[in-house]
Amino acid sequence: DGGITQSPKYLFRKEGQNVTLSCEQNLNHDAMYWYRQDPGQGLRLIYYSQIVNDFQKGDIAEGYSVSREKKESFPLTVTSAQKNPTAFYLCASKDREKQHFGDGTRLSIL
Amino acid sequence: AQSVTQPDIHITVSEGASLELRCNYSYGATPYLFWYVQSPGQGLQLLLKYFSGDTLVQGIKGFEAEFKRSQSSFNLRKPSVHWSDAAEYFCAVGPPISSGSARQLTFGSGTQLTVLP
Repeated sequence: DGGITQSPKYLFRKEGQNVTLSCEQNLNHDAMYWYRQDPGQGLRLIYYSQIVNDFQKGDIAEGYSVSREKKESFPLTVTSAQKNPTAFYLCASKDREKQHFGDGTRLSIL
Repeated sequence: AQSVTQPDIHITVSEGASLELRCNYSYGATPYLFWYVQSPGQGLQLLLKYFSGDTLVQGIKGFEAEFKRSQSSFNLRKPSVHWSDAAEYFCAVGPPISSGSARQLTFGSGTQLTVLP
């Protein structure tokens, strides 16, 4: 079945550590997105990519980095510069009309 | 800038009762409008979308939404709620496909639906 796979489902980060969240899609979509979800705030865009080897900052990119070396993959790194990383992270890809979402990764701080 | 307001943070209804979730948007042109549903710990699933044409759109799971340009609203409705409908619902607005923008959707802050037996 086609879809978006996010891993791991749960992730823990120590202070000062970088962690990488995986997002893979087999839908052959060009555009991919990373959102952060906090209670009562809906989804906020971190980064997006319209095509391989290109990506753009969203509304809350500080403390995050991404790469897009392959069409299928759009990993998100939460760096130590992100002081409040505890959140639910959602990856999405987009066909011509709508976005398709993965099941998310919940990141917590140890 | 585009924005979406969902004025109800939490709604509680009894099973079998009707439901209406409110969504108001701000956008410079006719946007594309979406309703998504999220179960706990899961991603978002598309319920329905409005691009153009008939202002009453039908979605999955018996949901419908009506686009009212004069009120800048896109309220979600269901005639009879089932216990399995308990979830969080997000309204979203996006640029028209013709704009060529892949930037993103703007999401409302969500409405949590509780269904009483």
